[in-house]
Amino acid sequence: ETGVTQSPTHLIKTRGQQVTLRCSSQSGHNTVSWYQQALGQGPQFIFQYYREEENGRGNFPPRFSGLQFPNYSSELNVNALELDDSALYLCASSSDHGFNYGYTFGSGTRLTVV
Amino acid sequence: KQEVTQIPAALSVPEGENLVLNCSFTDSAIYNLQWFRQDPGKGLTSLLLIQSSQREQTSGRLNASLDKSSGRSTLYIAASQPGDSATYLCAVSGNTPLVFGKGTRLSVIA
Repeated sequence: ETGVTQSPTHLIKTRGQQVTLRCSSQSGHNTVSWYQQALGQGPQFIFQYYREEENGRGNFPPRFSGLQFPNYSSELNVNALELDDSALYLCASSSDHGFNYGYTFGSGTRLTVV
Repeated sequence: KQEVTQIPAALSVPEGENLVLNCSFTDSAIYNLQWFRQDPGKGLTSLLLIQSSQREQTSGRLNASLDKSSGRSTLYIAASQPGDSATYLCAVSGNTPLVFGKGTRLSVIA
């Protein structure tokens, strides 16, 4: 059973650019959620996808968008990057919205905006 | 709006000590509570999951308790080791998938 895998591990972008982060969910999981973790803070919920539909969103602007594919993998897209977008981006998957079995996290993508 | 607080923010103990990390949350309407470990610059490793109907869960030297009515959880680590040094995060699942505290940074000194 493979876990949650994220790519790339590190990324440096310039302010104003666009970025796409990728996540492969754990085998058997149909729910994927994304989190942003600034240095020294707890992760903040961005949005969640269930069977290719967004079914929950945190307090993030529309320039943060996502997709979930038929194989339940997912992408996080961020447009018009700002310096404050520099953070660790975490992907988590679950088989049941986390109700009974919780969430499994990937190792994250460290995004630096300069 | 759910808020999660973890106390203390940082803790340093000598090897072999037993210790308790605290987590409190403001809205008791949760599905479950999960404790995670995070090493510097890394992702989250799930340690224990407690359903809202449960009072505690144990895994090896770790024991987590949940008092939903008072909005509190504790993570007890027995016989701490230097390898336990990490940041410990608690998160509650309810209307929002996961709401996290800021974590407790634990250092176990050999």
